[in-house]
Amino acid sequence: EAQVTQNPRYLITVTGKKLTVTCSQNMNHEYMSWYRQDPGLGLRQIYYSMNVEVTDKGDVPEGYKVSRKEKRNFPLILESPSPNQTSLYFCASSFQGPDTQYFGPGTRLTVL
Amino acid sequence: AQSVTQLGSHVSVSEGALVLLRCNYSSSVPPYLFWYVQYPNQGLQLLLKYTSAATLVKGINGFEAEFKKSETSFHLTKPSAHMSDAAEYFCAVSTVGGYNKLIFGAGTRLAVHP
Repeated sequence: EAQVTQNPRYLITVTGKKLTVTCSQNMNHEYMSWYRQDPGLGLRQIYYSMNVEVTDKGDVPEGYKVSRKEKRNFPLILESPSPNQTSLYFCASSFQGPDTQYFGPGTRLTVL
Repeated sequence: AQSVTQLGSHVSVSEGALVLLRCNYSSSVPPYLFWYVQYPNQGLQLLLKYTSAATLVKGINGFEAEFKKSETSFHLTKPSAHMSDAAEYFCAVSTVGGYNKLIFGAGTRLAVHP
């Protein structure tokens, strides 16, 4: 089954404790992206990747890191989480170009 | 710069009534336009997309949208609402030749009551 998976689905942590949210897709997509969803703001792009070893900032990259060492994986790293990073996070993937993006189920993160 | 405006953060309709969710976009180049739906506790699922072919686009679950360049609009409609349509709907824009960045609207939550 073609899908984007994220782990964990729910996470409660404390300020400053490094965490990683994993994202994996099995559709051989070149493009992958991370979004955060906040009430009244829709989804905003954090980082994206055009292919292996190619990443770039989206609209709200501060406080986040990403890596793309393999085509299928695109982890999101919060080196020192803060309460303003409490949000719902989505990973998405697609082929190149303005094509349909496939979204993961989301990770709800709470930073205390 | 591109942007998307969804008019109405909440829309409520009766079961069987027309659904109309409004989306206006801003883009200096020909846009690609998308409607995504998010059911409770789930990710986003594509409803339909406009990619410069026919201006009236049909999607899944009986939804359709019409691209109107003169009005810079891409409103989503369904002739008869069903209880299962209750969800949050997002309009998004991307650009031809771009790097596939999606700009999302703030979303419209649709409630369907008996």
